[in-house]
Amino acid sequence: NAGVTQTPKFQVLKTGQSMTLQCAQDMNHEYMSWYRQDPGMGLRLIHYSVGAGITDQGEVPNGYNVSRSTTEDFPLRLLSAAPSQTSVYFCASSSTRGWASNEQFFGPGTRLTVL
Amino acid sequence: GNSVTQMEGPVTLSEEAFLTINCTYTATGYPSLFWYVQYPGEGLQLLLKATKADDKGSNKGFEATYRKETTSFHLEKGSVQVSDSAVYFCALPGTGKLIFGQGTTLQVKP
Repeated sequence: NAGVTQTPKFQVLKTGQSMTLQCAQDMNHEYMSWYRQDPGMGLRLIHYSVGAGITDQGEVPNGYNVSRSTTEDFPLRLLSAAPSQTSVYFCASSSTRGWASNEQFFGPGTRLTVL
Repeated sequence: GNSVTQMEGPVTLSEEAFLTINCTYTATGYPSLFWYVQYPGEGLQLLLKATKADDKGSNKGFEATYRKETTSFHLEKGSVQVSDSAVYFCALPGTGKLIFGQGTTLQVKP
Protein backbone atom coordinates (compact mmCIF):
# COMPACT_ATOMS: atom_id res chain seq x y z
CA ASN A 1 0.00 0.00 0.00
CA ALA A 2 1.95 3.02 -1.29
CA GLY A 3 -0.62 5.66 -0.25
CA VAL A 4 -0.34 8.86 -2.29
CA THR A 5 2.59 9.09 -4.68
CA GLN A 6 3.78 12.14 -6.59
CA THR A 7 6.30 12.53 -9.38
CA PRO A 8 8.63 14.21 -9.93
CA LYS A 9 10.07 15.26 -6.55
CA PHE A 10 11.86 18.26 -8.04
CA GLN A 11 11.46 20.12 -11.31
CA VAL A 12 12.95 23.23 -12.86
CA LEU A 13 11.14 24.84 -15.78
CA LYS A 14 11.69 27.86 -17.92
CA THR A 15 8.95 30.43 -18.30
CA GLY A 16 6.45 29.29 -20.92
CA GLN A 17 7.22 25.60 -20.69
CA SER A 18 4.48 23.11 -19.91
CA MET A 19 4.54 20.06 -17.72
CA THR A 20 2.37 17.61 -15.84
CA LEU A 21 2.70 16.78 -12.16
CA GLN A 22 1.61 13.23 -11.52
CA CYS A 23 -0.41 12.05 -8.55
CA ALA A 24 -1.67 8.54 -7.84
CA GLN A 25 -3.30 6.83 -4.87
CA ASP A 26 -4.01 3.18 -4.21
CA MET A 27 -6.58 3.55 -1.43
CA ASN A 28 -9.63 3.70 -3.71
CA HIS A 29 -10.37 7.22 -2.49
CA GLU A 30 -12.99 9.19 -4.35
CA TYR A 31 -11.75 12.62 -3.29
CA MET A 32 -8.45 13.98 -4.60
CA SER A 33 -7.05 17.48 -4.53
CA TRP A 34 -4.06 19.62 -5.37
CA TYR A 35 -2.64 22.27 -3.06
CA ARG A 36 0.24 24.64 -3.39
CA GLN A 37 2.30 25.70 -0.41
CA ASP A 38 4.03 29.05 -0.34
CA PRO A 39 5.92 30.68 2.54
CA GLY A 40 3.59 32.52 4.91
CA MET A 41 0.47 31.50 2.99
CA GLY A 42 -0.19 28.00 4.23
CA LEU A 43 -1.80 25.63 1.75
CA ARG A 44 -4.10 26.87 -0.97
CA LEU A 45 -6.39 24.60 -2.95
CA ILE A 46 -5.88 24.60 -6.71
CA HIS A 47 -8.35 21.99 -7.98
CA TYR A 48 -10.18 19.05 -6.55
CA SER A 49 -12.18 16.05 -7.70
CA VAL A 50 -14.91 14.04 -5.98
CA GLY A 51 -14.69 11.14 -8.41
CA ALA A 52 -13.68 10.02 -11.87
CA GLY A 53 -14.87 12.50 -14.47
CA ILE A 54 -15.69 15.22 -11.91
CA THR A 55 -13.41 18.14 -11.15
CA ASP A 56 -13.86 21.60 -9.69
CA GLN A 57 -11.82 24.71 -9.07
CA GLY A 58 -10.33 25.69 -5.76
CA GLU A 59 -9.00 29.05 -4.59
CA VAL A 60 -6.16 29.48 -7.08
CA PRO A 61 -7.00 27.57 -10.29
CA ASN A 62 -5.61 29.99 -12.87
CA GLY A 63 -2.77 28.56 -14.92
CA TYR A 64 -3.57 24.95 -14.00
CA ASN A 65 -5.67 22.23 -15.57
CA VAL A 66 -6.75 18.89 -14.18
CA SER A 67 -8.62 15.82 -15.34
CA ARG A 68 -9.73 12.65 -13.56
CA SER A 69 -10.12 9.76 -15.94
CA THR A 70 -9.57 7.07 -13.28
CA THR A 71 -10.10 6.84 -9.53
CA GLU A 72 -6.38 6.36 -8.97
CA ASP A 73 -4.84 9.25 -10.92
CA PHE A 74 -5.21 13.01 -10.73
CA PRO A 75 -2.57 14.82 -12.81
CA LEU A 76 -2.03 18.57 -12.61
CA ARG A 77 -1.02 20.34 -15.82
CA LEU A 78 0.79 23.64 -16.08
CA LEU A 79 0.10 24.92 -19.57
CA SER A 80 2.59 27.79 -19.69
CA ALA A 81 4.71 28.03 -16.58
CA ALA A 82 5.26 31.39 -14.92
CA PRO A 83 7.66 32.36 -12.09
CA SER A 84 4.60 32.92 -9.86
CA GLN A 85 4.00 29.18 -10.02
CA THR A 86 7.25 28.45 -8.21
CA SER A 87 5.99 26.54 -5.19
CA VAL A 88 5.71 23.18 -3.51
CA TYR A 89 2.74 21.19 -4.77
CA PHE A 90 0.92 18.58 -2.72
CA CYS A 91 -1.63 16.08 -3.82
CA ALA A 92 -4.07 14.69 -1.26
CA SER A 93 -6.85 12.12 -1.16
CA SER A 94 -9.59 10.97 1.15
CA SER A 95 -12.78 9.01 1.16
CA THR A 96 -15.78 11.18 0.41
CA ARG A 97 -17.96 9.17 2.74
CA GLY A 98 -18.03 11.38 5.80
CA TRP A 99 -15.24 13.30 4.18
CA ALA A 100 -15.54 16.29 6.47
CA SER A 101 -14.38 14.20 9.40
CA ASN A 102 -12.00 11.96 7.53
CA GLU A 103 -8.28 12.20 7.30
CA GLN A 104 -6.74 13.53 4.13
CA PHE A 105 -3.63 11.66 3.00
CA PHE A 106 -0.91 13.76 1.45
CA GLY A 107 1.79 12.89 -1.02
CA PRO A 108 5.44 13.87 -0.39
CA GLY A 109 5.22 16.94 -2.64
CA THR A 110 6.79 18.26 -5.82
CA ARG A 111 9.12 21.23 -5.53
CA LEU A 112 8.77 23.30 -8.69
CA THR A 113 10.98 26.21 -9.71
CA VAL A 114 10.11 28.34 -12.72
CA LEU A 115 12.93 30.51 -14.01
CA GLY B 1 -17.56 30.78 5.22
CA ASN B 2 -15.40 28.72 7.51
CA SER B 3 -11.99 30.07 8.44
CA VAL B 4 -9.15 29.35 10.82
CA THR B 5 -6.61 31.62 12.48
CA GLN B 6 -3.40 30.23 13.83
CA MET B 7 -0.72 31.86 15.91
CA GLU B 8 2.26 32.99 13.97
CA GLY B 9 5.63 31.50 14.51
CA PRO B 10 8.28 30.53 14.58
CA VAL B 11 8.18 29.07 18.05
CA THR B 12 11.52 28.12 19.55
CA LEU B 13 11.59 25.98 22.68
CA SER B 14 14.12 24.02 24.65
CA GLU B 15 13.69 20.28 24.95
CA GLU B 16 11.15 19.27 27.65
CA ALA B 17 9.42 22.66 27.55
CA PHE B 18 5.65 23.01 27.43
CA LEU B 19 4.12 23.79 24.05
CA THR B 20 0.95 25.65 23.16
CA ILE B 21 0.01 26.61 19.61
CA ASN B 22 -3.17 28.64 19.43
CA CYS B 23 -5.88 28.03 16.86
CA THR B 24 -9.27 29.71 16.65
CA TYR B 25 -11.92 29.15 14.06
CA THR B 26 -15.05 30.60 12.53
CA ALA B 27 -17.57 28.08 11.29
CA THR B 28 -21.19 27.34 10.64
CA GLY B 29 -22.26 24.61 12.98
CA TYR B 30 -19.74 22.33 14.64
CA PRO B 31 -17.38 20.93 12.04
CA SER B 32 -14.58 18.49 12.74
CA LEU B 33 -11.25 20.12 13.61
CA PHE B 34 -7.81 18.85 12.74
CA TRP B 35 -4.14 19.35 13.46
CA TYR B 36 -1.74 18.30 10.74
CA VAL B 37 2.04 18.17 11.04
CA GLN B 38 4.66 18.57 8.33
CA TYR B 39 8.14 17.29 9.09
CA PRO B 40 11.02 18.76 7.07
CA GLY B 41 10.93 17.67 3.44
CA GLU B 42 7.71 15.71 3.82
CA GLY B 43 4.02 16.07 3.11
CA LEU B 44 1.41 16.78 5.76
CA GLN B 45 0.11 14.03 7.98
CA LEU B 46 -2.77 13.99 10.39
CA LEU B 47 -1.65 14.51 13.98
CA LEU B 48 -5.02 14.48 15.72
CA LYS B 49 -8.64 15.43 15.26
CA ALA B 50 -11.85 16.09 17.16
CA THR B 51 -15.21 15.53 15.56
CA LYS B 52 -17.54 17.27 18.01
CA ALA B 53 -17.60 19.93 20.67
CA ASP B 54 -15.76 19.09 23.92
CA ASP B 55 -13.92 16.21 22.26
CA LYS B 56 -10.23 15.89 22.98
CA GLY B 57 -7.95 14.62 20.26
CA SER B 58 -4.60 13.15 21.24
CA ASN B 59 -1.63 11.51 19.60
CA LYS B 60 2.13 11.23 20.27
CA GLY B 61 1.76 13.22 23.50
CA PHE B 62 -0.05 16.08 21.76
CA GLU B 63 -3.56 17.07 22.80
CA ALA B 64 -6.20 19.53 21.61
CA THR B 65 -9.69 20.14 22.98
CA TYR B 66 -12.57 21.30 20.80
CA ARG B 67 -13.97 24.28 22.73
CA LYS B 68 -17.10 25.74 21.18
CA GLU B 69 -17.42 28.48 23.82
CA THR B 70 -14.15 30.05 22.75
CA THR B 71 -14.14 28.60 19.19
CA SER B 72 -10.67 27.30 19.82
CA PHE B 73 -8.65 24.14 19.23
CA HIS B 74 -5.26 24.87 20.80
CA LEU B 75 -2.51 22.30 20.44
CA GLU B 76 -0.54 21.38 23.57
CA LYS B 77 2.26 19.08 24.56
CA GLY B 78 3.69 18.81 28.03
CA SER B 79 7.29 18.07 27.11
CA VAL B 80 8.57 18.64 23.58
CA GLN B 81 11.43 16.76 21.99
CA VAL B 82 13.84 17.73 19.24
CA SER B 83 11.99 15.30 16.96
CA ASP B 84 8.84 17.45 17.32
CA SER B 85 10.47 20.17 15.24
CA ALA B 86 8.07 20.64 12.34
CA VAL B 87 5.35 22.89 10.94
CA TYR B 88 1.91 22.48 12.52
CA PHE B 89 -1.34 23.31 10.73
CA CYS B 90 -4.79 23.74 12.19
CA ALA B 91 -7.59 22.89 9.74
CA LEU B 92 -11.34 22.54 9.33
CA PRO B 93 -13.60 21.53 6.45
CA GLY B 94 -14.78 24.04 3.89
CA THR B 95 -16.77 23.41 0.75
CA GLY B 96 -15.14 20.40 -0.83
CA LYS B 97 -11.80 21.08 0.81
CA LEU B 98 -9.87 21.49 4.02
CA ILE B 99 -9.16 25.05 5.12
CA PHE B 100 -5.72 25.37 6.67
CA GLY B 101 -4.21 27.96 8.93
CA GLN B 102 -0.93 29.52 7.88
CA GLY B 103 1.11 27.02 9.83
CA THR B 104 3.32 27.45 12.88
CA THR B 105 6.94 26.43 12.72
CA LEU B 106 8.23 24.80 15.88
CA GLN B 107 11.93 24.44 16.53
CA VAL B 108 13.03 22.50 19.56
CA LYS B 109 16.62 22.93 20.70
CA PRO B 110 18.47 20.29 22.73
